[in-house]
Amino acid sequence: EAGVAQSPRYKIIEKRQSVAFWCNPISGHATLYWYQQILGQGPKLLIQFQNNGVVDDSQLPKDRFSAERLKGVDSTLKIQPAKLEDSAVYLCASSLAGDSYNEQFFGPGTRLTVL
Amino acid sequence: DQQVKQNSPSLSVQEGRISILNCDYTNSMFDYFLWYKKYPAEGPTFLISISSIKDKNEDGRFTVFLNKSAKHLSLHIVPSQPGDSAVYFCAASAGGYSTLTFGKGTMLLVSP
Repeated sequence: EAGVAQSPRYKIIEKRQSVAFWCNPISGHATLYWYQQILGQGPKLLIQFQNNGVVDDSQLPKDRFSAERLKGVDSTLKIQPAKLEDSAVYLCASSLAGDSYNEQFFGPGTRLTVL
Repeated sequence: DQQVKQNSPSLSVQEGRISILNCDYTNSMFDYFLWYKKYPAEGPTFLISISSIKDKNEDGRFTVFLNKSAKHLSLHIVPSQPGDSAVYFCAASAGGYSTLTFGKGTMLLVSP
């Protein structure tokens, strides 16, 4: 079974530029998560989708971050414009269902560096 | 305000010995706890979990202990192996559809 795929793996941009990340979850997983992991910290949830609807985006900085999940499968996370403090690893995860007892499977992440 | 705390950034253990990783939480609504393991350049992978109705859960070399009164849990690895060297994250949720809150992680190094 293929795991969660993410691209690109690495991205370097200058502040005020835009960037987009892509995630393909495990087939059949209804729930998709985007996490931000700053160096030395644990993952922090940015947004959770159930199929193509948003369940929780309370920690998403909506003035610069946006996310969508097309047709309830793939998802993209965009930052526009980027700030220095956005430098982090962006992790995508998926699970069969959205309750916390369902195991979340993580992708390898995209490491973003904002200069 | 950190609701899940892993106060030891790193831990070094010799192969064959026991590794004990600790985690404290402050939110009394948390009732489900998980440990994730992360290798460099990979995403975290689920290791073991425990519900608040239990005080111990075992899976092979890995055992998680939960002390609800102290709001403390620990992960024991016995015997430790060099392949266990990784960052270990403690996570907690209030159950149902609540989200996971992660600690900062503890880097475990198991030397031969």
